[in-house]
Amino acid sequence: DAGVIQSPRHEVTEMGQEVTLRCKPISGHDYLFWYRQTMMRGLELLIYFNNNVPIDDSGMPEDRFSAKMPNASFSTLKIQPSEPRDSAVYFCASSRWTGNTEAFFGQGTRLTVV
Amino acid sequence: KQEVTQIPAALSVPEGENLVLNCSFTDSAIYNLQWFRQDPGKGLTSLLLIQSSQREQTSGRLNASLDKSSGRSTLYIAASQPGDSATYLCAVLPSEGYALNFGKGTSLLVTP
Repeated sequence: DAGVIQSPRHEVTEMGQEVTLRCKPISGHDYLFWYRQTMMRGLELLIYFNNNVPIDDSGMPEDRFSAKMPNASFSTLKIQPSEPRDSAVYFCASSRWTGNTEAFFGQGTRLTVV
Repeated sequence: KQEVTQIPAALSVPEGENLVLNCSFTDSAIYNLQWFRQDPGKGLTSLLLIQSSQREQTSGRLNASLDKSSGRSTLYIAASQPGDSATYLCAVLPSEGYALNFGKGTSLLVTP
């Protein structure tokens, strides 16, 4: 498997624009997670899905953030409208719930909102 | 809420030294603990996973230990090399949850 695939790797956008980040989890994994990483706060969980269903979105900072998982192989994280304080690296991760549950991370999307 | 702390935040050592990175967590009700490596501008690479029932795991020059009752884990790196320079992150999976809680990491620099 190619691992967790995220796109784009880098995104620069102007304040107020809509941004969509994409993630393809590892095939067969039933959990998908979106994290945000900043220098100040480290890695924070935004939302996670189980079998395509959102389970916990308590980490989503505001209503400007939304996430979907229309099928087992694709998820999006959308920010609308974007603000400079949204600038961060966004990671997608997936795992399969077994006795040895290990999370695998994508390369991340570095978002800069100017 | 589970809090994960890593000490030190940064560490610089000469090549060849053995070193220990520390991780502590506030709630001992965990399912497992993972150590990750992150290179600048890159994603996270899983290094070791320790189940709550285990005391340690080893992979090559890396050894991770877990003392669940005291809320501590250590990552031991033997005979450090410049290629070990990276940020090392500790993360715990709560017994009652499915998402990892991360520490802020230890930034390691191994100088030739």
